[in-house]
Amino acid sequence: EDQVTQSPEALRLQEGESSSLNCSYTVSGLRGLFWYRQDPGKGPEFLFTLYSAGEEKEKERLKATLTKKESFLHITAPKPEDSATYLCAVQQGGANSKLTFGKGITLSVRP
Amino acid sequence: NAGVMQNPRHLVRRRGQEARLRCSPMKGHSHVYWYRQLPEEGLKFMVYLQKENIIDESGMPKERFSAEFPKEGPSILRIQQVVRGDSAAYFCASSPSAGERFFGPGTRLTVL
Repeated sequence: EDQVTQSPEALRLQEGESSSLNCSYTVSGLRGLFWYRQDPGKGPEFLFTLYSAGEEKEKERLKATLTKKESFLHITAPKPEDSATYLCAVQQGGANSKLTFGKGITLSVRP
Repeated sequence: NAGVMQNPRHLVRRRGQEARLRCSPMKGHSHVYWYRQLPEEGLKFMVYLQKENIIDESGMPKERFSAEFPKEGPSILRIQQVVRGDSAAYFCASSPSAGERFFGPGTRLTVL
């Protein structure tokens, strides 16, 4: 049973067309929810950590939000360079416990 | 401050050989995590180590796989008698303590 589900699996946007990526989770006792960006052939690049429902974090065109059941990664006016796979992961238990990842959302932004 | 280093970046082995993957964490980081990524799948946790200790190996296959993080030197993920199903990208991540995990560029293992 998947603990972390990301949707849609793939998303194609026109440059400037804002949208949201969804990450829903079913774990209890969430300690933190992480967002990463991964480019082809590279390692995941850290974006955000959210710790409590209602928390929001922003970085350039990206904003991450968290509720008790899901997280959204909002992309405002995306550019072609935002094309990548976006991964979310949840953490339960202790401060250094493992992350459980979803399968990712592949975003393509057309110029 | 250099990021997480992994080598080799690409590794080709024949069935039955051994594969050794190395991970040097970021300076000052004492926590290392190994993950495996198969095509079209998410990252799967394998093992979490601190210096000289395995903390959580719940994601490690029971046979052929082992990991260490010695007092000096990089963390090593060792796969004995590789099979084709071991072909994947292996990533390590490091963290100083709680919170952010920083990933390396990965080692892409191909088993012929």
